[in-house]
This record gives sequence, structure tokens and C-alpha cells, in this order.
Amino acid sequence: QKEVEQNSGPLSVPEGAIASLNCTYSDRVSQSFFWYRQYSGKSPELIMSIYSNGDKEDGRFTAQLNKASQYVSLLIRDSQPSDSATYLCAVNLRRAGGTSYGKLTFGQGTILTVHP
Amino acid sequence: GAGVSQSPSNKVTEKGKDVELRCDPISGHTALYWYRQSLGQGLEFLIYFQGNSAPDKSGLPSDRFSAERTGGSVSTLTIQRTQQEDSAVYLCASSPVRAVEAFFGQGTRLTVV
Repeated sequence: QKEVEQNSGPLSVPEGAIASLNCTYSDRVSQSFFWYRQYSGKSPELIMSIYSNGDKEDGRFTAQLNKASQYVSLLIRDSQPSDSATYLCAVNLRRAGGTSYGKLTFGQGTILTVHP
Repeated sequence: GAGVSQSPSNKVTEKGKDVELRCDPISGHTALYWYRQSLGQGLEFLIYFQGNSAPDKSGLPSDRFSAERTGGSVSTLTIQRTQQEDSAVYLCASSPVRAVEAFFGQGTRLTVV
């Protein structure tokens, strides 16, 4: 099992719809979770971070975290063609009994296309 | 500039040559990561530096790859005897003390011919 897995894509939604991106992770004690956006030919850009169970909203983006289910998601409301990109889920994997943060591990990414 | 800076932006090298890739992290950031991204693929972890701790080298694909971080700041990734499969974009990221939001540089595109 991969440490961080994202729902298989590509995902295509019409302009104005809600895009839902999902991610599961394998380590129960992971504490920090991130969503990055990567446009073609560019480096990843941090768009959301979440540390506690529940929802975190920032503009059209909402991150949802459920540590019991080891699940984190990103919702994009009112999707725009400019949201078309690859979305990467990243998890800071900290082992049980560990006292320090470990490496930031990424999922394989989900390609999102928003069509007019 | 306040961001992560990588150099060179592009590097073309002949198979068998050594290359050095440089990363200058955001000032004050204690954590530094190197990742590799092949065309159309996800991010492959290479190595992680955190302060004065021993680096996590678990992602380095072979002993041809090495990295160092001098003075807790600038890092150099060295690839010896390059092979065609080393062709990829090499990304560096840094994050601040006791926080793990990582910010990426623009990457170095390495092409081995």
C-alpha cells in the first residue's frame, strides 16, 4: 500500500461545478496535511494546509480532514478553467512514538480539467 | 527574492558526466527537501535535511546520488556518472522551523544525452 494515495483521474468538471479531490494516507499519527496545485511545466504551489479534524475554508477552496478514517479531501467550488491543473496531496508522516516531523510525502496527483 | 532559488534552470549533460544542482532555501528555513519529477509522473522523494540532524537519505536511488547542505543553508545535489534515466526535473523545497509547509523552487530540468 502506498503511503499517500489519491483518487485516480483525470477528473473533468464543467465550469461552475464543485470539484472533489480525495486522498488517503497510511500512517495513523500523521499530523500535517497539504494540498498543492501544479500547472503544467511549473513547480508545485501550496494552496491549503490543514492540521485538525474538520473543514478549513479559504475562498473557493475547502479542505476536509478525518484522521480516524485517514482521509483528506479538497473541494473547489465554482470551478474555473484556470483551476485546471494537477492537484497533489502531501502528508507529513510522523511515526508512532516519533518526536519529530518526518519527510513530506506526496501522492501521485489528480489531473483536474475544468471545461467551459 | 524571498523564494527558494534553484540553479541552473536547465542543464544538458552528456551521459557519464557529473552534475551539481544548487538550491538556496528561503532565509531561516531549517528543513530542505529534494524531489525528482519525471515527465508526467508524481514527486519522488530523494533526501531531507532538518536542522543539524542527520539527513534522511532513504529516497536516493543509487550511490551515484549525494547531497550536502552547508551551514544549514545552501544545498547541492550531485549526480555522478549521469545516465539517461536521470533525466527529470529536480525540485527543491524548504520549510520553516517547527512548521512543515514546504515551498518549492522553480526546479532544474536535467537532460542527459
